[in-house]
Amino acid sequence: GAVVSQHPSWVICKSGTSVKIECRSLDFQATTMFWYRQFPKQSLMLMATSNEGSKATYEQGVEKDKFLINHASLTLSTLTVTSAHPEDSSFYICSAESGSSYEQFFGPGTRLTVL
Amino acid sequence: SQKIEQNSEALNIQEGKTATLTCNYTNYSPAYLQWYRQDPGRGPVFLLLIRENEKEKRKERLKVTFDTTLKQSLFHITASQPADSATYLCAPRGSGGYQKVTFGIGTKLQVIP
Repeated sequence: GAVVSQHPSWVICKSGTSVKIECRSLDFQATTMFWYRQFPKQSLMLMATSNEGSKATYEQGVEKDKFLINHASLTLSTLTVTSAHPEDSSFYICSAESGSSYEQFFGPGTRLTVL
Repeated sequence: SQKIEQNSEALNIQEGKTATLTCNYTNYSPAYLQWYRQDPGRGPVFLLLIRENEKEKRKERLKVTFDTTLKQSLFHITASQPADSATYLCAPRGSGGYQKVTFGIGTKLQVIP
């Protein structure tokens, strides 16, 4: 079945530093990848939609200069949290969708803690 | 704006019974509706997708219905087991490519042995 991986699974960083999270589709080509953020006991909130080879589409209220998304290939998308602050601490989850079906497959998530 | 409501934040049922979870949506006409399972600290796992022209879909002990008139989907787990305990999310989706998916807050199911 379709597998999506994320790396790292958790990261702790100091305030002001940047953190890069990778999302890979391992056994299929993902024309579209999505990035979500989830706070405790809350729903997944879509941050941005990323299509291979084009600029990401950000949801309202998400700062594109703070959350840099790159989808350079059909199997890899990256999210960089720039100048991270404690309020950016959250669970970041990516998902990937193949062009042949509309099923979204999620990565295991990355727990970011900013001190 | 689009709104997704799932019947309750928590549902407790006895092992062996059928669990029924509800998903209602407003201001939206999705072409598909997906159901996911999420365990604590993990990403959601895809379970079933049902299309607007399908009334019902089954997969092993799972059954999903989709009523576009009522704007509602029901998710059933028959012969529930403690291992089914998790949060279940519904996610309506529009047709065509590059459509974003909006998630409900989910229903936390607890199956009691």
